Amino acid sequence: EAQVTQNPRYLITVTGKKLTVTCSQNMNHEYMSWYRQDPGLGLRQIYYSMNVEVTDKGDVPEGYKVSRKEKRNFPLILESPSPNQTSLYFCASSLSWDRGPQTHYEQYFGPGTRLTVT
Amino acid sequence: AQTVTQSQPEMSVQEAETVTLSCTYDTSENNYYLFWYKQPPSRQMILVIRQEAYKQQNATENRFSVNFQKAAKSFSLKISDSQLGDTAMYFCAFMKGAYGNKLVFGAGTILRVKS
Repeated sequence: EAQVTQNPRYLITVTGKKLTVTCSQNMNHEYMSWYRQDPGLGLRQIYYSMNVEVTDKGDVPEGYKVSRKEKRNFPLILESPSPNQTSLYFCASSLSWDRGPQTHYEQYFGPGTRLTVT
Repeated sequence: AQTVTQSQPEMSVQEAETVTLSCTYDTSENNYYLFWYKQPPSRQMILVIRQEAYKQQNATENRFSVNFQKAAKSFSLKISDSQLGDTAMYFCAFMKGAYGNKLVFGAGTILRVKS
């Protein structure tokens, strides 16, 4: 089954304690992305990756890191979490636009990770 | 930069009735895609319907249809014969057509279907 998985699904942590949220996809997608969802703001992109070892900032990258060492995995790292990073996080993946400028490829979303930082 | 605006934070509709959710967007791009996503209480993001900007015909998917007004930059979602399972948060989203994979989302509209 084609899917994007995220772990953990729920996490409560304390300020300053480093954490990693994992994301994995089994569709051989080049493009992967992280979004955060906050009330009244919708989903906003944190970081994205066009392929292995290629990552770039999205709209709200402060306080986050990512890496893309393997095509299937795209972990989100919070080195020193703060309460303003309490949010619902989604990982998404798709084939890359550079396979054809007039072609759209559907984005597949993971199930979400609810993070609370106290 | 592109922006997406959903002006209705919450809406409600009676079962079997029709409801329309509004979305406007701002862009200088000519080639782009618009989407409606559904997020039920399970929090899963589910693609409801997609519209290519270069297509004049409005997209339809069973009970879901859109009214795409490119000049007005408006993209509303109509749900016909509303069902209890349609209760969810609905997000309107924009994606550039060329050289773009990034989705830009609106703030969302909570839809409650009442029996």
